[in-house]
Amino acid sequence: GAVVSQHPSWVICKSGTSVKIECRSLDFQATTMFWYRQFPKQSLMLMATSNEGSKATYEQGVEKDKFLINHASLTLSTLTVTSAHPEDSSFYICSASIEQGASQPQHFGDGTRLSIL
Amino acid sequence: GDSVTQMEGPVTLSEEAFLTINCTYTATGYPSLFWYVQYPGEGLQLLLKATKADDKGSNKGFEATYRKETTSFHLEKGSVQVSDSAVYFCALSEGTSYGKLTFGQGTILTVHP
Repeated sequence: GAVVSQHPSWVICKSGTSVKIECRSLDFQATTMFWYRQFPKQSLMLMATSNEGSKATYEQGVEKDKFLINHASLTLSTLTVTSAHPEDSSFYICSASIEQGASQPQHFGDGTRLSIL
Repeated sequence: GDSVTQMEGPVTLSEEAFLTINCTYTATGYPSLFWYVQYPGEGLQLLLKATKADDKGSNKGFEATYRKETTSFHLEKGSVQVSDSAVYFCALSEGTSYGKLTFGQGTILTVHP
């Protein structure tokens, strides 16, 4: 149980296009999901907290107009990278937990590798 | 703010060697501590966790003890296997964070036959 699915796993697109990444909790409901960004050989940096039915909470330095997050249902959160440019190329990972709370482990998607040409 | 510091990598070991990956943290409250593992081309998987001081998390032969006095959560395994080759992340979650994680920089482990 506790499977988180991300789609697509890899996307290559031209500079200036918008890309949508989906994060689904397949066998549980998640009122909160998290979006991380991972640069090559580096750690995960939290981008935003996605809250079902309300606005996302963005970390300092993350452009909310650039990285649009929608959490329209208890099993789906989407991250849209708008007008993507080469510097947006990265590995994006989402996570969710079955229950909220600091002691609850996060379940991660397999990530989406985004390459902007 | 919260932070997690892991030992510099990469770490290269022979099969059956003893593994230690150091992890220390800084937090304002009483965090929960985690080790996650990332195999090549995959997402992160929970390896083990500890939620209060002196708790020991263990899984698949790996162990880590929550040491409040030294603010540490070092990962150990007595005999590593080739299949343990991966990136290991130490992380913490504060009590009011609703589960969001602060990660260490990750340690690449390579185990040779």
